Amino acid sequence: DAGVTQSPTHLIKTRGQHVTLRCSPISGHKSVSWYQQVLGQGPQFIFQYYEKEERGRGNFPDRFSARQFPNYSSELNVNALLLGDSALYLCASSLEGARNSPLHFGNGTRLTVT
Amino acid sequence: EDQVTQSPEALRLQEGESSSLNCSYTVSGLRGLFWYRQDPGKGPEFLFTLYSAGEEKEKERLKATLTKKESFLHITAPKPEDSATYLCAVVGITGGGNKLTFGTGTQLKVEL
Repeated sequence: DAGVTQSPTHLIKTRGQHVTLRCSPISGHKSVSWYQQVLGQGPQFIFQYYEKEERGRGNFPDRFSARQFPNYSSELNVNALLLGDSALYLCASSLEGARNSPLHFGNGTRLTVT
Repeated sequence: EDQVTQSPEALRLQEGESSSLNCSYTVSGLRGLFWYRQDPGKGPEFLFTLYSAGEEKEKERLKATLTKKESFLHITAPKPEDSATYLCAVVGITGGGNKLTFGTGTQLKVEL
C-alpha cells in the first residue's frame, strides 16, 4: 500500500521567493496535516485540513498557507521565504482526528533557503 | 500550552542492554499520547497510541506505558536496527484535531 507521498523531496530557494510543497495522503484518509521540523527539534504543527476545510492552525505567520483538494491531496505554500524557513516539511494523513486515528507521516520535503 | 520533555537527549546501549526512555508531559485534558520512531532523512513512523493512565502497549522489543504525568518507552534486549530517534507527542483538549505537540526526541544508538 502506498504511504503518504510528498514532492519534491529536496528544494533550494532564495530569500524572498515563494515555494509550493505537495502531499498525497494514504488512500481513504480525509485529513491532512502539515508540520515543520527544524534540525534537532521535534515536528511543529502548521495546519490541519479535513474534508477540504481548515480545522487547525499553528503559530506560524500569514506567509504560510495551505489548501486541500477534492481528492484530499494538499499543498503548502510559503511566501517571502526567510532563512529561518529552512527545515524538513512533513505531511501527515489520518482517517479523522488524531484522537481516534494515528497520523501517518511522509518522508518530507527538505527546504533550504539561501 | 501543552508541553513535552523527553530524556535523555541521547542514549548509547550495547546490543542486549535493556533501558527506558522518558517522556514527561503537561497537557490540558489528555486525548492521546503517541510514540514515533524517526530514522535519519525519513518521516516519523507511528509506534503506539496511549489514552489513559495505566495503559500499556507492546510491539516486538518495545513496550510503552503511561501515567498521569509521564510515559516510558521500554526497550528490551535492543538490536542495532533499533537505532533511531524516538519522538513522543501529545494531543490535548485545547489542541484538538491533529495538533500534536512533540518533544525533541531521544536519539538511541545500539552498538554490537
